[in-house]
Amino acid sequence: NAGVTQTPKFQVLKTGQSMTLQCAQDMNHEYMSWYRQDPGMGLRLIHYSVGAGITDQGEVPNGYNVSRSTTEDFPLRLLSAAPSQTSVYFCATRLRAETYEQYFGPGTRLTVT
Amino acid sequence: GQQVMQIPQYQHVQEGEDFTTYCNSSTTLSNIQWYKQRPGGHPVFLIQLVKSGEVKKQKRLTFQFGEAKKNSSLHITATQTTDVGTYFCAGGYGNKLVFGAGTILRVKS
Repeated sequence: NAGVTQTPKFQVLKTGQSMTLQCAQDMNHEYMSWYRQDPGMGLRLIHYSVGAGITDQGEVPNGYNVSRSTTEDFPLRLLSAAPSQTSVYFCATRLRAETYEQYFGPGTRLTVT
Repeated sequence: GQQVMQIPQYQHVQEGEDFTTYCNSSTTLSNIQWYKQRPGGHPVFLIQLVKSGEVKKQKRLTFQFGEAKKNSSLHITATQTTDVGTYFCAGGYGNKLVFGAGTILRVKS
């Protein structure tokens, strides 16, 4: 039972490049989400999904795309990386959309030069 | 939109001293959650409070939810070096969870 896994752990991109951050969970949770964490700003919600085939925008969605074709996977795509997207990205899941406890993945540290 | 304010931003304490972090919302919360993030790690769920005036304890940690369900606090008694990290509150507004900015706790031994 791996919980929530994220790949890669670290990534360096050049401005304008695109990439996909992977998130997978084996807990059969309906709700999955992506956060970015920047110093002094806490955790800000990028996108979330309440179930397979359903996604919605969070607080800071610009520059990111998501899809949810299966219960287990929730990839985050950066379309054209910008230095402002340098951050630590966490995937988080919870049983359902109601606010149960969230389980966070180990994070991806992204640097955009 | 909903916002959760958390203070202080930083706290340095001597080992053995107490520590408290506070969270405040301008609107009523459906619940509040607390998380701890060790340096270099990911947030880990500590507890959820749901009822007005609720108080819960986990060993040296005491969590309170205000009577009006707009504020909450986390108090650590007699801090230890293992308590270092960032403590986040997360306010529940229906299905939406909004995180405070966190309080960074440093413990001097």
